[in-house]
Amino acid sequence: DADVTQTPRNRITKTGKRIMLECSQTKGHDRMYWYRQDPGLGLRLIYYSFDVKDINKGEISDGYSVSRQAQAKFSLSLESAIPNQTALYFCATSEANGLGAGELFFGEGSRLTVL
Amino acid sequence: AQSVTQPDIHITVSEGASLELRCNYSYGATPYLFWYVQSPGQGLQLLLKYFSGDTLVQGIKGFEAEFKRSQSSFNLRKPSVHWSDAAEYFCAVGASGYSTLTFGKGTMLLVSP
Repeated sequence: DADVTQTPRNRITKTGKRIMLECSQTKGHDRMYWYRQDPGLGLRLIYYSFDVKDINKGEISDGYSVSRQAQAKFSLSLESAIPNQTALYFCATSEANGLGAGELFFGEGSRLTVL
Repeated sequence: AQSVTQPDIHITVSEGASLELRCNYSYGATPYLFWYVQSPGQGLQLLLKYFSGDTLVQGIKGFEAEFKRSQSSFNLRKPSVHWSDAAEYFCAVGASGYSTLTFGKGTMLLVSP
């Protein structure tokens, strides 16, 4: 089984619908992240969490919200989806360390299409 | 703030030829540098990383990268490319005191027969 699991892997929805993408991990890492990938733009950080009580905005958080339900679970919500949120979304985890940002471990991605 | 530039959007290499993918970063102190690969339909897999020490870093699948502070570069190399290396490659930078990694926009590698 994958260490970082994302559900659903693929989702097609309509404008205005609420969507939740879920991420669970078995790596025992404290830090979890949500990234968005668009062709030609690389990966951009949406939100990140360093523990259950810690939530931080990334560079493109508008239109998104997150919930850290447990150390192992971090979900991303689109309250009212719009077409330009069509993208590939990745969850990632990393260990806490005193050096700053370390190696990220990625899930396989959730492809979201908003019509 | 830290930033990463991957100057080449696409690169085509013949199978068996050597490969070099460029990565330039912007950060004042010593960065932590990473190369990830994304095969079609897959997540990102770490190829190699540099934190400190020897500036030539060996990774998986026969890849290596060299940290050159004077050029603010961390270029990825492979002496002989295989068709299975066709994928998108991302360079990323982190640093002490920064909580997250910053990714480049990626380079798509195409391998011709």
